[in-house]
Amino acid sequence: KQEVTQIPAALSVPEGENLVLNCSFTDSAIYNLQWFRQDPGKGLTSLLLIQSSQREQTSGRLNASLDKSSGRSTLYIAASQPGDSATYLCAVRPLRTGTYKYIFGTGTRLKVLA
Amino acid sequence: DTGVSQNPRHKITKRGQNVTFRCDPISEHNRLYWYRQTLGQGPEFLTYFQNEAQLEKSRLLSDRFSAERPKGSFSTLEIQRTEQGDSAMYLCASSLEEGRLAGEPANVLTFGAGSRLTVL
Repeated sequence: KQEVTQIPAALSVPEGENLVLNCSFTDSAIYNLQWFRQDPGKGLTSLLLIQSSQREQTSGRLNASLDKSSGRSTLYIAASQPGDSATYLCAVRPLRTGTYKYIFGTGTRLKVLA
Repeated sequence: DTGVSQNPRHKITKRGQNVTFRCDPISEHNRLYWYRQTLGQGPEFLTYFQNEAQLEKSRLLSDRFSAERPKGSFSTLEIQRTEQGDSAMYLCASSLEEGRLAGEPANVLTFGAGSRLTVL
């Protein structure tokens, strides 16, 4: 059974710092992995999608990497800003015939201090 | 296109009543998901539609829950005989299947703002 874990559960950093959020999953047989951002009381916004054959994806100040063999993904945020404060979630889609669902971690709540 | 739309945004009901939520996905998206999220937790998968076919259901989806997507466009999620444990945010997401529309990103989940259910 695939399980997704995100550590730490919460993180507080001063503005301008570069930071790394971690996501680990128990079964390396995945189709893809997505990172999302969620603001309080709101839905999720997709940040980056990494296919199983890819090692990383970049969008602006965000870079996500994937190491399937070790069951890990990281989201790197460069030069953090107060507007980056949100909960960040990762989700994996298992590589299994007939399944299309995504399994989410519990998220890392990030606070960037001005 | 204004993205994924969910209605109502907030529903307060008494235990035992039935509630229905509606999701209007992005029009080109043929895949549709329902998730449930409680405070401090990640979203939990409920069910998945590809076009009008319901292809996957979670064991969380008890017989009190039913979902439909009659014409492969909007979807409804009904909860019968609500219980206090059903209180949660119900999230809908849609995505595009690979190869469906040239030049458009496949598999990227677009979520609605959610429908928050409070059962008293």
